[in-house]
Amino acid sequence: EAQVTQNPRYLITVTGKKLTVTCSQNMNHEYMSWYRQDPGLGLRQIYYSMNVEVTDKGDVPEGYKVSRKEKRNFPLILESPSPNQTSLYFCASSLQDLYNEQFFGPGTRLTVL
Amino acid sequence: GENVEQHPSTLSVQEGDSAVIKCTYSDSASNYFPWYKQELGKGPQLIIDIRSNVGEKKDQRIAVTLNKTAKHFSLHITETQPEDSAVYFCAASKRRWNTDKLIFGTGTRLQVFP
Repeated sequence: EAQVTQNPRYLITVTGKKLTVTCSQNMNHEYMSWYRQDPGLGLRQIYYSMNVEVTDKGDVPEGYKVSRKEKRNFPLILESPSPNQTSLYFCASSLQDLYNEQFFGPGTRLTVL
Repeated sequence: GENVEQHPSTLSVQEGDSAVIKCTYSDSASNYFPWYKQELGKGPQLIIDIRSNVGEKKDQRIAVTLNKTAKHFSLHITETQPEDSAVYFCAASKRRWNTDKLIFGTGTRLQVFP
């Protein structure tokens, strides 16, 4: 089944404790992206990747890192999480770029205490 | 401020009625306008999209219209059903520093009552 998977689905952590949210897609998509969703703010792009080893900042990249060493994986790294990073995170992938349909993962709800 | 404004934030309709959600965008160079549906506990899913060279697009009960002059686009759902209840997001492409990005609206929660 074609899908985007994220892990973990739920995470409660404390300020400053490094964490990684994994994202994997099995559709051989080139474009992958991370979004955060907050009430009243919609979806905001954090980082995106056009292909392996090619990443770029979205609208809200501060406090996040990403890497794209393999085509299927696009982990999101929070080196030193803070409470304002409490949010619902979505990974998405598309065939080539944002002009193709983006397939979203199920989401990761992160709480930083 | 936000470059894509979406209204209304909530919408309640009776089953069988029509629902309309409107979005406006600020960048006249925007050329791609997708609509996503997000059901409870799930990620958004594309339901329809339109490009700037087209004024209207239909897919069964769903249609999207685009007015480039006024810089607004709308989602129309006819003969609504309870399973249409979800949060709907519009988005518009935007070019920033030689890269294209999607800017999402803030969402509309649609409730269809039986």
